[in-house]
Amino acid sequence: GENVEQHPSTLSVQEGDSAVIKCTYSDSASNYFPWYKQELGKGPQLIIDIRSNVGEKKDQRIAVTLNKTAKHFSLHITETQPEDSAVYFCAASKGTDKLIFGTGTRLQVFP
Amino acid sequence: EPEVTQTPSHQVTQMGQEVILRCVPISNHLYFYWYRQILGQKVEFLVSFYNNEISEKSEIFDDQFSVERPDGSNFTLKIRSTKLEDSAMYFCASSAGQGAQPQHFGDGTRLSIL
Repeated sequence: GENVEQHPSTLSVQEGDSAVIKCTYSDSASNYFPWYKQELGKGPQLIIDIRSNVGEKKDQRIAVTLNKTAKHFSLHITETQPEDSAVYFCAASKGTDKLIFGTGTRLQVFP
Repeated sequence: EPEVTQTPSHQVTQMGQEVILRCVPISNHLYFYWYRQILGQKVEFLVSFYNNEISEKSEIFDDQFSVERPDGSNFTLKIRSTKLEDSAMYFCASSAGQGAQPQHFGDGTRLSIL
């Protein structure tokens, strides 16, 4: 079945720096790739998503890129702020609705 | 902004007991899901539900698990005879459409089996 790998598992950056989280997926039929932010004691919150007919999508300080040939997608956060500190999960789906999640990245932004 | 709500936030149950976790999905959504997250691990799919029947279920979702939409607003997950390994966060999610549609999650129920 589908497998999603995510790196790094932890990421520490200085406030104002950029952060990049990478994921790879195994099933070439996957066509939907959301990113979730999970704060302590909360559920996953959708922050951005991308579909397979698009190579890049941006929403203010957050961007996602997709390389279908290499089967990988990345989350880019620019001008990081302390409130960006959380666990970030990538996920993949192939239109059957089931989301397959990556293992998560704990991002710490130091002031 | 509409949100998915889950109750209770924390449930403590003796092993072997039945437990029901409750969810109120976003009102105009038609597709409903349960996921679980064991402490420190990734989120795992359990089951999806549409038009009053299960669309897909994972290997985790065995005969001890069942889901129901008893009325127009609630969506429940029942574990018939809980085991220690059922201890986890259980998240409900809903989406408006099928395939490549955003799934919105609740804040979860922490289930602790003693």
